[in-house]
Parts: sequence; C-alpha cells; structure tokens
Amino acid sequence: DIQMTQSPSSLSASVGDRVTITCQASQDINNYLNWYQQKPGKAPKLLIYDASNLETGVPSRFSGSGSGTDFTFTISSLQPEDIATYYCQHFANQPRFGPGTKVDIK
Amino acid sequence: EVQLLESGGVLLQPGGSLRLSCAASGFTFSSYAMTWVRQAPGKGLEWLSTISGSGGSTYYADTVEGRFTISRDNSKNTLYLQINTLRLDDTAVYYCAKDRVPGIAAVRLDNWGQGTLVTVSS
Repeated sequence: DIQMTQSPSSLSASVGDRVTITCQASQDINNYLNWYQQKPGKAPKLLIYDASNLETGVPSRFSGSGSGTDFTFTISSLQPEDIATYYCQHFANQPRFGPGTKVDIK
Repeated sequence: EVQLLESGGVLLQPGGSLRLSCAASGFTFSSYAMTWVRQAPGKGLEWLSTISGSGGSTYYADTVEGRFTISRDNSKNTLYLQINTLRLDDTAVYYCAKDRVPGIAAVRLDNWGQGTLVTVSS
C-alpha cells in the first residue's frame, strides 16, 4: 500500500506570494499523481492531473511538477480565492489521498 | 454540463445498511469509470471504490472491501454504493466522482457531486 505525505500541513501567506506544497509517495508512482483544491463545504476540484498537466479552465498560476516519489504543487501568486485545502492523490494502484495542506491568507 | 447528484444519506444506527445513489447527467455515463470518495467530519479525503464504465470491473480500498459494494445501472445513468454493517467511523460525507478520461479507470476525478451525509450514531 503506497502512503502519501504532504508538507506543510498548513501555511499562511500574503496575497501575491509564491506558495509551494510538496507531496511524497512511499514508492515510485511514476507521474500518477493529481492535485485537488477543496474549499470549505464544497466538493474537491481537480487542478492538476498526471503530476504536471493543468486541468481545463484552471488558472495558470497553478502548476505541478515531479515524478517518481517527489512532487511539488505551486501557486505562483496567491490570490484571496485560493484559500482552501489542497490534496495530492496517487492512482498507481489503490488510490490514496495525501493528508492535505490548508492554505490561509496572512 | 456534467451533473452528479448523490442521495441516500441518512442517520442510522451501527449495524444497519444503506444504499447511496448518484444520478449522473451531461455525459455518456456508460463510457466513464466512476468512484466513491468519503470525508469524515473535519478529516481528509478517503478513496473507497471505483467501477469501470461497463460495471465489469470493481476496485475497493482494503478498509472497506467485503462491506461496501459499488454498482451501476447504465440504463438509469446511476451509480450506487451499498454499505453494510455500518460502523460509527462510517460517518462522513460521501461523494461520487467521474473519471476524466473515458474507457479507463484511472481515478483522475474531474467532476464531483455535492456529497451526501451519512451519520452513524447509537
């Protein structure tokens, strides 16, 4: 069973800041990794699929990179509407979500 | 426009059973794998189960296999999740979600329902 870790578990940043979240898999998962955004009381939203592909309609300030076991999710310029919890999720075998990173405005 | 609408959430006692439904519209339902994900109050997301477009292949998390059953009726564009022997820790919002690409069950979930709340309490 492949475990996922995310760091940090929470962060606070200013509008316009660059925000980076990391996700690590316990085994090589190639690029079988997605990133989701979840706002309070709402369903998750797919932002990045296959580690680095931007989902249609998602602003270009969101990006992802990585392969194997180490992945990075970046918001290039944090906006107030980006306040949410972000989850990575692998689908190499039994899909599993990371524990999430809560992003706040400082 | 893709729409997914879950129903069936309820307050139940431990040991009971229920069936959740997810009515789909706006896409060719039978072409896409579908997935159930849950979220306990204040907790993260947990993948539960995925079913292929035809319904011929099903996949379960180890934690629910044998107690949860995923199924679909492509003639009714509806996905189901049967949950037996309910436990207190089954309390959660249950989401159905659609795979991004037709034909393969890759669990890239590009459309989600609004969720249905299942509460298990004695």
